[in-house]
Amino acid sequence: AQKITQTQPGMFVQEKEAVTLDCTYDTSDQSYGLFWYKQPSSGEMIFLIYQGSYDEQNATEGRYSLNFQKARKSANLVISASQLGDSAMYFCAMRPMDSSYKLIFGSGTRLLVRP
Amino acid sequence: DGGITQSPKYLFRKEGQNVTLSCEQNLNHDAMYWYRQDPGQGLRLIYYSQIVNDFQKGDIAEGYSVSREKKESFPLTVTSAQKNPTAFYLCASNSGNTEAFFGQGTRLTVV
Repeated sequence: AQKITQTQPGMFVQEKEAVTLDCTYDTSDQSYGLFWYKQPSSGEMIFLIYQGSYDEQNATEGRYSLNFQKARKSANLVISASQLGDSAMYFCAMRPMDSSYKLIFGSGTRLLVRP
Repeated sequence: DGGITQSPKYLFRKEGQNVTLSCEQNLNHDAMYWYRQDPGQGLRLIYYSQIVNDFQKGDIAEGYSVSREKKESFPLTVTSAQKNPTAFYLCASNSGNTEAFFGQGTRLTVV
C-alpha cells in the first residue's frame, strides 16, 4: 500500500535557524512525485516544493530544500533561516504516477518558530 | 486572478440534512479533487474528476456525492448517510502532472 509517514507531530525552531521536517514514503512504483505543502491556521494549502522520483538533484525553492534519499525512501523538507511566518502545519504528499494525479498525504508536522 | 473558490467558508448542518459545498476554479484545470481533513490529521481523498461528466470515488466516498457538469465546477454534497460529517473540506485542481492548487476550504459542523 502507498503511504506517507511523518513521525514528528510537533517541532520547535528558533527564529533564523534551520529546521528539518521528516517524511518517509512507501511505494512500489518506480515513478512518483513528492510534494510539500504548508497549511497556516487559516486553512489553505500552500505548495512549497516538488521532487520527481527521477530527479537526480535535490529540489530547492528559496529557503526550502528537499533532501531526497531515494534508497531510504525519504523526502525531508529543510527550511533555512526560519521566520515567524513559517509557523504552520506542514504536509508531505506523494503522487503515484497513475492516471488520477491524486495526492496521498501524511499526517503533518506542526512547526512553531520561537522569536 | 486565477484560483479556486470554495463557498461557504462555514456551514452548519442539522441531523438528516443534505448540504452542498461549492468549488469553482478558473485555472482551466482538467482535474478536480475533494479532500476531507479531520483535526490533527492529513487530508483524505473523497472524490476526484479528471474530465467533465466523469468522476471516481476516492478513499472515503461513502456518504458523499459529486457532479462535474462543467469544467469549472465540482460541487460536493454531504448526504444524511455520512454519519460523521463534521470536518474541514478542501477542494483542489490541477492540470496534468503539476502541483495541486487548493481552495480556502469549508468548515462543516453538525448541529
